[in-house]
Amino acid sequence: KQEVTQIPAALSVPEGENLVLNCSFTDSAIYNLQWFRQDPGKGLTSLLLIQSSQREQTSGRLNASLDKSSGRSTLYIAASQPGDSATYLCAVRPNQAGTALIFGKGTTLSVSS
Amino acid sequence: DAGVIQSPRHEVTEMGQEVTLRCKPISGHNSLFWYRQTMMRGLELLIYFNNNVPIDDSGMPEDRFSAKMPNASFSTLKIQPSEPRDSAVYFCASSFRAGGQNIQYFGAGTRLSVL
Repeated sequence: KQEVTQIPAALSVPEGENLVLNCSFTDSAIYNLQWFRQDPGKGLTSLLLIQSSQREQTSGRLNASLDKSSGRSTLYIAASQPGDSATYLCAVRPNQAGTALIFGKGTTLSVSS
Repeated sequence: DAGVIQSPRHEVTEMGQEVTLRCKPISGHNSLFWYRQTMMRGLELLIYFNNNVPIDDSGMPEDRFSAKMPNASFSTLKIQPSEPRDSAVYFCASSFRAGGQNIQYFGAGTRLSVL
């Protein structure tokens, strides 16, 4: 059974720092991996999606990498800002036929000004 | 597009009452998902539909839970009778299922409190 783990559960950094959020999954046979952002009381917003054949994806200050063989993904946030404060969730899609996502419990990030 | 629309945003009810959560997916999407989020278990899939047909309901916790999708623009998740342990945030998501990325778009959720 696929399990997704995110470490750390919470992270506090001062504004301007570069930071890395980690995601690991137990079964390397995935179709793709997605990073989401969740603000308090809100739904999830997709940030980046990496197909199983890709190594990384970039969007602005965000860079997500995927090492499928080792079951790991990282989300790199450059020059963090207070507006980046949120919970970041990692989710894997096991295969093309089964389109439901399996989520980690998230990392709650707090960026202080 | 207004995105995935869920109603109500908040629901407070008493144990034993019937609860119905509603979802309107993004127009043109053909897959719809119901998830539940709790502090202990995180986000878990309850059920998903492709072209209005339930594909995987293995996440539905008990017979008290049922979901329907009568047409491409509407779905309901019903809990009857509700129990305090059902208290959680319920999310609906939709996507366009085809080859490729298949990004899921989430609604704002319904926060359910069963007293």
